[in-house]
Amino acid sequence: GAVVSQHPSRVICKSGTSVKIECRSLDFQATTMFWYRQFPKQSLMLMATSNEGSKATYEQGVEKDKFLINHASLTLSTLTVTSAHPEDSSFYICSARPLSTGTEQFFGPGTRLTVL
Amino acid sequence: DAKTTQPPSMDCAEGRAANLPCNHSTISGNEYVYWYRQIHSQGPQYIIHGLKNNETNEMASLIITEDRKSSTLILPHATLRDTAVYYCIVRVAPFTGNQFYFGTGTSLTVIP
Repeated sequence: GAVVSQHPSRVICKSGTSVKIECRSLDFQATTMFWYRQFPKQSLMLMATSNEGSKATYEQGVEKDKFLINHASLTLSTLTVTSAHPEDSSFYICSARPLSTGTEQFFGPGTRLTVL
Repeated sequence: DAKTTQPPSMDCAEGRAANLPCNHSTISGNEYVYWYRQIHSQGPQYIIHGLKNNETNEMASLIITEDRKSSTLILPHATLRDTAVYYCIVRVAPFTGNQFYFGTGTSLTVIP
């Protein structure tokens, strides 16, 4: 149980295009999902907290107009990187907190974004 | 705002116990200690968490000092598959925000 999936696992896009990453909780409902970014050889950096049915809360320094987050259901959150640039190339990871327990977060496998 | 300090790297012989320390000297009374690990290019995996009592599960044991200012994660019989970056995180009790702020972690290498 407690599986979180991400799609796609890997994406390459041209500079200036937008990329959407999906995060799904497969066997549980999650009112809250989190999005992280991880650059090579660095730790995970929390980008935003996504609550179902409401606006996401962004961490300081994260541009909300560039990283659009939608949490339309209890099992799906999406992150759209708009007008992507090479510096946005990174490993994007989501996590979900089960509605039933709230004690842990379960992480997705990550999405490797490369912007050319 | 990671609030934890861990050694950057450690080695451990295969089959031996791996003891990973974490310092969290500013921990508050309602903050839990969580441990996750991340194998290269994968998402973090939950290991264990605790408040003040020692905890054990099928993966590891968590020893928290009486003053709660530090803890140790113990992998009793390390295998090569335990090679990963281990993160110690403190956060408030459930159902209250629940953001995880990751520190730099400890890169554990299990040596054959």
